[in-house]
Amino acid sequence: DAKTTQPPSMDCAEGRAANLPCNHSTISGNEYVYWYRQIHSQGPQYIIHGLKNNETNEMASLIITEDRKSSTLILPHATLRDTAVYYCIVRHTGNQFYFGTGTSLTVIP
Amino acid sequence: NAGVTQTPKFQVLKTGQSMTLQCAQDMNHEYMSWYRQDPGMGLRLIHYSVGAGITDQGEVPNGYNVSRSTTEDFPLRLLSAAPSQTSVYFCASSLERGIAYGYTFGSGTRLTVV
Repeated sequence: DAKTTQPPSMDCAEGRAANLPCNHSTISGNEYVYWYRQIHSQGPQYIIHGLKNNETNEMASLIITEDRKSSTLILPHATLRDTAVYYCIVRHTGNQFYFGTGTSLTVIP
Repeated sequence: NAGVTQTPKFQVLKTGQSMTLQCAQDMNHEYMSWYRQDPGMGLRLIHYSVGAGITDQGEVPNGYNVSRSTTEDFPLRLLSAAPSQTSVYFCASSLERGIAYGYTFGSGTRLTVV
């Protein structure tokens, strides 16, 4: 599975959009990009995933570059409850999820 | 529908003791995994199973055993606990190995080995 690179920490003002980047330059054509988050010490929570196209759900949007070497998770209106560690993972169908250290997002009042 | 249930939530063991961490899911998921998370670190895969009767090793399998006799249950056994196994353990399940929806995680077991 391709490895990912994320900034260790980011801040975002409450109510503003949070844009979390992820580099996955060695991604192969059949690997999905997944995003999870972990609030405090709870179990990780699935947010969104995509292969080639941009995706949107009730929680977030996922923008994947055309060459698929990077992606951005967008939380459109960050709240204090979005403070968490966000993990970007690339995974080939059938293989396991391997988590890195993620980005610690702090939403500031 | 309880999702993924882990027991116990907290456990303190003495070095050399053995114990089993329980994980059960009621979603008929084929795919189950165990992860450990040490302070300030991401999750590391211990063992996984693609279905009843089938298990395989992840990144950090040493000191742990698993079995999958039913679809619902995937217990993790610590054979002889060591302080290095102090960690938070998460169990996760997924509908099938090829599905793109990702994992559902349990709430974790916090283990301290003294």
